[in-house]
Amino acid sequence: EVQLVESGGGLIQPGGSLRLSCTASGFTVSSNYMSWVRQAPGKGLEWVSIIFSGGGTFYADSVKGRFTISRDNSKNTLYLQMNSLRADDTAVYYCAKESPPPPYYGMDVWGQGTTVTVSS
Amino acid sequence: DIQMTQSPSSLSASVGDRVTIPCRASQSISSYLSWFQQKPGKAPKLLIYAASSLQSGVPSRFSGSGSGTDFTLTISSLQPEDFATYYCQQSYSTPYTFGQGTKLEIK
Repeated sequence: EVQLVESGGGLIQPGGSLRLSCTASGFTVSSNYMSWVRQAPGKGLEWVSIIFSGGGTFYADSVKGRFTISRDNSKNTLYLQMNSLRADDTAVYYCAKESPPPPYYGMDVWGQGTTVTVSS
Repeated sequence: DIQMTQSPSSLSASVGDRVTIPCRASQSISSYLSWFQQKPGKAPKLLIYAASSLQSGVPSRFSGSGSGTDFTLTISSLQPEDFATYYCQQSYSTPYTFGQGTKLEIK
């Protein structure tokens, strides 16, 4: 079964660091585009970061310089290292898979989400 | 960055109604457009990819159309389980962007 399972969320003080994990089964992380998407309480979806199958990465301006996306091919796992956390980083964080185009298939597999709360 | 605009932010409809939800991109995104359904406390679910292709397992009452800058999600006959929030999203260029969402509510 194709599945993504996130972990690593929790309560963290402003300025702190947290690493989220997203473990895949049923497909190979390194062969796909993998994104992190977040959703603040009561708000819409916000794309955060992507790692392409070739290893290139890209970030939303809101997290650039503070967050780092990476993957461990041996563990078939995606990560999001989050540093210098702020209150407005509070959100449910989802990982999502996208097959490299062409053709374009969209982000077709999502994890269940992990909650990050930044508060003192 | 490409801005995705969904309007209205909420829509009231009845079971059996035909509903259309528009989405506009600030520049051409070809057909790199997806539609997602999200219910409270759940992860988004892919409904439509490449603007008009139905994701496997999604009921055929859902359809998508458009290319370039203007897109539409259509639900041909609303069912009780369709009341949710719908998002469009572009993957034409990074940063990827989502529309603000349209919440479909029961009239």
